[in-house]
Amino acid sequence: QKEVEQNSGPLSVPEGAIASLNCTYSDRGSQSFFWYRQYSGKSPELIMFIYSNGDKEDGRFTAQLNKASQYVSLLIRDSQPRDSATYLCAAQRGAAGNKLTFGGGTRVLVKP
Amino acid sequence: KAGVTQTPRYLIKTRGQQVTLSCSPISGHRSVSWYQQTPGQGLQFLFEYFSETQRNKGNFPGRFSGRQFSNSRSEMNVSTLELGDSALYLCASIAWDSGDTQYFGPGTRLTVL
Repeated sequence: QKEVEQNSGPLSVPEGAIASLNCTYSDRGSQSFFWYRQYSGKSPELIMFIYSNGDKEDGRFTAQLNKASQYVSLLIRDSQPRDSATYLCAAQRGAAGNKLTFGGGTRVLVKP
Repeated sequence: KAGVTQTPRYLIKTRGQQVTLSCSPISGHRSVSWYQQTPGQGLQFLFEYFSETQRNKGNFPGRFSGRQFSNSRSEMNVSTLELGDSALYLCASIAWDSGDTQYFGPGTRLTVL
């Protein structure tokens, strides 16, 4: 079992709809979680991070964390063609250093 | 603020050679981490440096090494290159005042022939 798991997709979403991305993790010592967006041929770009249970909103993006279920999600509202990319979920233990453990990524396709 | 700088951006080497990659973090950031990204294995942690000290190391062979200088710039070295070392090597600058958030540089694309 991978430490951080994501559905590889592709997740096809009509323009204007909500894209829902899921991520599960196995290490209960993980404290912080990060979502990155990566366009083909480019480096990962930080979208947002979350470390408390519940929801965190930033513009069109909402991250949700449920530590009891070891589950993190990212919602993209009003999806746009420019949101078409691979979304990477990463977990960090924190106190033991800043090693990020990444999932394999979910490819999202937003269709006009 | 300027972002993370990585040089060179592209590199072609042959098996058995060695390579050194460089990373300059965001001004004021004292910690950097390195990752390897391949299509098969995804993004994998190599090591992390803070104030010239290695804090953390991933599961890579000893051929992979790194260091950090007093100005926070970091280098990683891969000796005796193998075909499987072909990858995108990413450096991340770590913001201690913002949840240890890691900001990635553009990466160095290494091709080993």
